[in-house]
Amino acid sequence: KNQVEQSPQSLIILEGKNCTLQCNYTVSPFSNLRWYKQDTGRGPVSLTIMTFSENTKSNGRYTATLDADTKQSSLHITASQLSDSASYICVVSEEAAGNKLTFGGGTRVLVKP
Amino acid sequence: KAGVTQTPRYLIKTRGQQVTLSCSPISGHRSVSWYQQTPGQGLQFLFEYFSETQRNKGNFPGRFSGRQFSNSRSEMNVSTLELGDSALYLCASSVNPGTAFRGYGYTFGSGTRLTVV
Repeated sequence: KNQVEQSPQSLIILEGKNCTLQCNYTVSPFSNLRWYKQDTGRGPVSLTIMTFSENTKSNGRYTATLDADTKQSSLHITASQLSDSASYICVVSEEAAGNKLTFGGGTRVLVKP
Repeated sequence: KAGVTQTPRYLIKTRGQQVTLSCSPISGHRSVSWYQQTPGQGLQFLFEYFSETQRNKGNFPGRFSGRQFSNSRSEMNVSTLELGDSALYLCASSVNPGTAFRGYGYTFGSGTRLTVV
């Protein structure tokens, strides 16, 4: 069964510090991998999207990396702000299944002042 | 331009009842997908509609159904509600399924929080 596993499940960091979230997937072949940010009570908002041939993509203080050989991705948050407190969801698009989306369970990040 | 609009935002229903949720996509978007999000299972795909036709369906029982109207607005219906149906129901819209899965113009609404008591 194709899966997307994220770690850690939750994370507390101090404002201004950096953090890295992990995403491991077994989906293959895949079309693209996306990271979404979801604020409490809101829908997910796309941060980055990477295809098989890309290994890094930035969006402001968010930088995603992709290693298609090891099937791992990471999302790095630089100089965290209180507004970064949210859930971060890794999503893999599965090419062989008509581009079906498989979602990770998310990492809940809490930034403290 | 307006985003994806879901109504109502919050809903409390009793076990055994049925419920209808509504999703209005971004103007010009013709593809609408529905997802269930729970703390235990995360986001799970329910179904996708394009041009009033269901294109894909997730692994949910027949109590979950949906439809899409000619103006691209979509509704999902859950009959004979169970306690386990309590969740945040999200819809997402895109111009067409191709742009959705390539990751462009795939926008989520804020969801409907359904509580079954």
